Amino acid sequence: QVQLVESGGGVVQPGRSLRLSCAASGFTFSSYTMHWVRQAPGKGLEWVADISYDGSNKDYADSVKGRFSISRDNSKNTLYLQMSSLRVEDTAVYYCARDLFGVVGKAFDIWGQGTMATVSS
Amino acid sequence: QSVLTQPPSVSGAPGQRVTISCTGSNSNIGAGYDVHWYQQLPGTAPKLLIYGNSDRPSGVPDRFSGSKSGTSASLAITGLQAEDEADYYCQSYDSSLRGVFGGGTKLTVL
Repeated sequence: QVQLVESGGGVVQPGRSLRLSCAASGFTFSSYTMHWVRQAPGKGLEWVADISYDGSNKDYADSVKGRFSISRDNSKNTLYLQMSSLRVEDTAVYYCARDLFGVVGKAFDIWGQGTMATVSS
Repeated sequence: QSVLTQPPSVSGAPGQRVTISCTGSNSNIGAGYDVHWYQQLPGTAPKLLIYGNSDRPSGVPDRFSGSKSGTSASLAITGLQAEDEADYYCQSYDSSLRGVFGGGTKLTVL
């Protein structure tokens, strides 16, 4: 079935880096724009970044621009989020999500289970 | 402070109808971008509930419906059930902020 499985979360000190991965299965990964969305503990959802189906276009939320980098390897059906210069406020569950075709704007039709990234000294 | 404004909480008794509002601006909902709704059960990932303002993905009961007018949208749930107790988020696109969410609404089934 269609599935997204995130990994790579953990505890890291402020200023350090962390790389998250999202393994996709059950659909043609190389045909879809993909997103990262995060949720701080007890808070709402925040869109973080997205990447086009072929990796040629990337977009970021202002809160992470210049610090985070989204990428993908279509040969491995895997999405990545490289997080650098991490701050305490980046602490969150990070979800990868598949883009929904055919809407005006962005929407997310399939979500992974999430991976927790904790930034703490 | 979220770009889209939702009430923090709503409640209703089993069988009743509840609505959740989502208010945006002329740079997002009012600019013609679609509104989508997600349901997040406790301890789980969000699930797409309504897309394109009023369409339901396969498997979502027709008790859930969405609408949009001007700079606002709303989610209606009829025949409320205990299993509907969850957090609900609206989401749209903003011309300068890209993907934007509401702050979420906690639905309590009394």
